[in-house]
Amino acid sequence: DAGVIQSPRHEVTEMGQEVTLRCKPISGHDYLFWYRQTMMRGLELLIYFNNNVPIDDSGMPEDRFSAKMPNASFSTLKIQPSEPRDSAVYFCASSPVSERPIFAGNTIYFGEGSWLTVV
Amino acid sequence: AQTVTQSQPEMSVQEAETVTLSCTYDTSESDYYLFWYKQPPSRQMILVIRQEAYKQQNATENRFSVNFQKAAKSFSLKISDSQLGDAAMYFCAYRSYPGGGSNYKLTFGKGTLLTVNP
Repeated sequence: DAGVIQSPRHEVTEMGQEVTLRCKPISGHDYLFWYRQTMMRGLELLIYFNNNVPIDDSGMPEDRFSAKMPNASFSTLKIQPSEPRDSAVYFCASSPVSERPIFAGNTIYFGEGSWLTVV
Repeated sequence: AQTVTQSQPEMSVQEAETVTLSCTYDTSESDYYLFWYKQPPSRQMILVIRQEAYKQQNATENRFSVNFQKAAKSFSLKISDSQLGDAAMYFCAYRSYPGGGSNYKLTFGKGTLLTVNP
């Protein structure tokens, strides 16, 4: 069973350039999450979707960040223009929703992360 | 809003010994889920163990077990027979029950860095 797939795994880009991070969630999962991890701020939720609809984007830092989920099997997180302070590991995660007693359905599964460095 | 607190930024344990990582949380909800995730240097987030709040029985997964105290809002992780491969950052996390009125997101603590000494 394939897990959450993210690309690219590593990206180094120059300040001002556009960065696009991609995510393929686990098939059948209803929820998709984008998290960012930095030393200073830890793990932060940026945005999450339910059935391709954005539910909470209050964590998106500013207008330079945008996320889309055009279908159930693909999402993008775009940064335009990128800045050095955007350097972080960006995680995509997904989960299904199921009622008890199928508890496993409520676990969030993470991709391996995209390491972004903006110089 | 829910908050998760891990009061131990770093812990160390001798190989084969037992260590307990602390986690407390704050919520007004009665139904929720709690998780421990492990993050090794590769940065992959790996689920270690999970607990439903309505279940009084503590979850166990091989060498990993939790002590869930709902009234005290405490959720500690015990690692028995520690192995070198257990060295990692450990995150405690909280998630609301679907339809519970709160955001259905995972709220993380700051993490505890566990070192295992040979």
